[in-house]
Amino acid sequence: GAGVSQSPRYKVTKRGQDVTLRCDPISSHATLYWYQQALGQGPEFLTYFNYEAQPDKSGLPSDRFSAERPEGSISTLTIQRTEQRDSAMYRCASSPKPDYEQYFGPGTRLTVT
Amino acid sequence: AQTVTQSQPEMSVQEAETVTLSCTYDTSESDYYLFWYKQPPSRQMILVIRQEAYKQQNATENRFSVNFQKAAKSFSLKISDSQLGDAAMYFCAYRSDNFGNEKLTFGTGTRLTIIP
Repeated sequence: GAGVSQSPRYKVTKRGQDVTLRCDPISSHATLYWYQQALGQGPEFLTYFNYEAQPDKSGLPSDRFSAERPEGSISTLTIQRTEQRDSAMYRCASSPKPDYEQYFGPGTRLTVT
Repeated sequence: AQTVTQSQPEMSVQEAETVTLSCTYDTSESDYYLFWYKQPPSRQMILVIRQEAYKQQNATENRFSVNFQKAAKSFSLKISDSQLGDAAMYFCAYRSDNFGNEKLTFGTGTRLTIIP
């Protein structure tokens, strides 16, 4: 595709519900990153994939957070039993290789009420 | 772990003037990359400029240039001839050159206002 796309762009959910966010990277990009950006802060690393492998998930805040990229292309980030502190912008970025520039998607703004 | 510090939460500049945004970082690595990203009101993340730590020459992209001081671990962004479209949040970011550790570490950002 022309760029990284994310869906939905906005998501409002009630505390305790599960949510799944989707990232569609630039086609042929091997590497995909997830970041969380709280209001007024810079993005913080959550996890990344190299194709379908997930070498680093050290940034995931708790075991309520999980990510998948089963076919090495589209990725999903799932948050179980959402809490108000999970409210943030969730950003996806992709890169042709791990050491190349990261191209960011528009983000999904998650609000937990 | 690497940290990035932006000590100026907000800056303002008159249109057509020059402004410098500050960034310092902490690392024990010798090979790394530094970036400035722009986040306009649309909330997109746009790469402005990048600097490889092994290069002594400061990077330049049109009106944007950096002052990279490796020993001082300082990486400031200079915007010349400021334009209204430059108004945005600016984030400084660090990336290791070690394989498997290519995540970006961001600062907290500087909000730049352009005064017409």
